[in-house]
Order: sequence, then C-alpha cells, then structure tokens
Amino acid sequence: AQKITQTQPGMFVQEKEAVTLDCTYDTSDQSYGLFWYKQPSSGEMIFLIYQGSYDEQNATEGRYSLNFQKARKSANLVISASQLGDSAMYFCAMREGLGYGQNFVFGPGTRLSVLP
Amino acid sequence: SAVISQKPSRDICQRGTSLTIQCQVDSQVTMMFWYRQQPGQSLTLIATANQGSEATYESGFVIDKFPISRPNLTFSTLTVSNMSPEDSSIYLCSVWTSGRHEQFFGPGTRLTVL
Repeated sequence: AQKITQTQPGMFVQEKEAVTLDCTYDTSDQSYGLFWYKQPSSGEMIFLIYQGSYDEQNATEGRYSLNFQKARKSANLVISASQLGDSAMYFCAMREGLGYGQNFVFGPGTRLSVLP
Repeated sequence: SAVISQKPSRDICQRGTSLTIQCQVDSQVTMMFWYRQQPGQSLTLIATANQGSEATYESGFVIDKFPISRPNLTFSTLTVSNMSPEDSSIYLCSVWTSGRHEQFFGPGTRLTVL
C-alpha cells in the first residue's frame, strides 16, 4: 500500500493566488514527521516545511503553511500569494518512528505551474 | 543548514562501466543517505551510509551494484556498477543535522547510461 498519496499529478494556479497541494499518508506509528519539498527543474530538493505528529499547531514557514488533519491523515501544503518561481514539483514525505532519515518515504509528487 | 556538494553534477556513461559519485558536507553529520530518482518519478532511498561500517541497503538494492563508502563524518561515495540504461537517474545524497528535523539534499548527479 502507498504510504504517501498525492492525488494531483498537476496543478495550475494564477500568480498571486493561493493554492493547496494535497497529501494523505498511511502509518500505524504514533510518532512520525511530515515534510514538504520543492524540486525545481534544476533537480535540487528544497526543504519547505515540517510537521511533527505531536505538534498541536499547524506549521508555517513564510508563504508556506501545512494544514495538518491528524484524524484524516492529511497534511496539505498551502502556498499563499503564488509566484512564478513557485513552479516546480512538490513532494510530500513522511518519516515514521524516531529514526532520523531512515523509514523516510516520498509521495509521487505534484507538478505546480504558476500562470502569469 | 548543511551545505552539500556532489561530484560529478552530470555524466554520460557507456553500458557496463561504473561511476563513482562523491558527496561532501561542510559539517560533520551523523546520518548520510543516498537516493535515486528515476525519470519522472519520486525519490527512492537506496541506502544509509554508515560511518566506519557497511552501508544499510533498502529492499531492491544490493552492495554489489551500489557499493558505498563513508570514511568520515563529512564524506561519502556511491558507485553505480556495471551500468545499464535502466540506471539512468538522478542520484542524490542527503544528510540529517543533529537536533533539527530537516533532511538536506545535495544538488544531485544526473546520470545517463547509453
């Protein structure tokens, strides 16, 4: 079974609008971490935001926020005020348990295109 | 944050040859990892590079095909052996920094096997 599901292979958003990228996860662990990464066409992986399973508040980092709904096992990324430079692949990822990096799985990704 | 460099940034290789990819970090890190990203796909963990001991490989990856070295806390190499066109991918190393939740990635090595 897929550990991380991203149901939107591609998304379009108008510049300056907000956009939500969906992510659902599957784990039986009580302790886990959820991550979002951005991968531009250059290929580098850029860390955006992290949410721990015990964090009570949704994580925010600048224009990025993570809409964490634990009971629904979803961790959607919200990008506010989209910019042309936001066009990229976005990957949701999960770390299960307390290991650092091990048991780290990525979703299939969503390609976001920001339109001028 | 950790600054990670990889060499080479890209290469085109012939079938049956081997390529060694280097990963250098600007600070000592406990955990280093190697990932593969096949064209149009997501990232898949190949192995954990352990300092001073043999790497820990994920299911589907073996040491004979992907030997890994980690001689110290700032450096690791991944060799892609006896290459075939199916090995054409981006190979990325990553590190965890102590006390933080972020996993930092190197810029990747784009490998094309003809």
